[in-house]
Amino acid sequence: DQQVKQNSPSLSVQEGRISILNCDYTNSMFDYFLWYKKYPAEGPTFLISISSIKDKNEDGRFTVFLNKSAKHLSLHIVPSQPGDSAVYFCAASADTNAGKSTFGDGTTLTVKP
Amino acid sequence: EAQVTQNPRYLITVTGKKLTVTCSQNMNHEYMSWYRQDPGLGLRQIYYSMNVEVTDKGDVPEGYKVSRKEKRNFPLILESPSPNQTSLYFCASSLFGGGIGQPQHFGDGTRLSIL
Repeated sequence: DQQVKQNSPSLSVQEGRISILNCDYTNSMFDYFLWYKKYPAEGPTFLISISSIKDKNEDGRFTVFLNKSAKHLSLHIVPSQPGDSAVYFCAASADTNAGKSTFGDGTTLTVKP
Repeated sequence: EAQVTQNPRYLITVTGKKLTVTCSQNMNHEYMSWYRQDPGLGLRQIYYSMNVEVTDKGDVPEGYKVSRKEKRNFPLILESPSPNQTSLYFCASSLFGGGIGQPQHFGDGTRLSIL
């Protein structure tokens, strides 16, 4: 049972436009959600997070929205830049199961100049 | 520079030959974890450690061992590697356990090929 799903394996957007990456989860016990970005031949790097008591968190060009009732979160990148081209993973964890992190399959974002 | 260091970065070996992938962090983090990444399957957690001498299974622990004798090191041991353990492995650390939303710092990965 895959508890965190990123249903779009890839996304292509034009430079300057908005990128929207989506993530769905099934476990209602998840308390924290994090987004990571990964370039080829490097490890993932943390991008932005949100706790389940919030519905939005913003950091510069990056905003994460959480809809608990729909068990859905999304990452918005505005404006998108070519350097944003990478694989994006969403991850979830729960206070009741400290230490365990569940990742989605990842979405490859390509931002075209 | 704060970092998580994995060695080796690449390894080709044969079935049954014991191997160890080392992981070291210099950030005094309590929490460390191992993941494997396979095409279409994202990152799957193998083992994690909340602190020295405290380890626990992740989602795919079969065929792996770990130890945490010192805070900075968290080696991954494959006692009898098999071809289905061919994968890209990542070690990660965070100040505290992932259960409180701490971002993890990842190493650059170790690509293992088991023939």
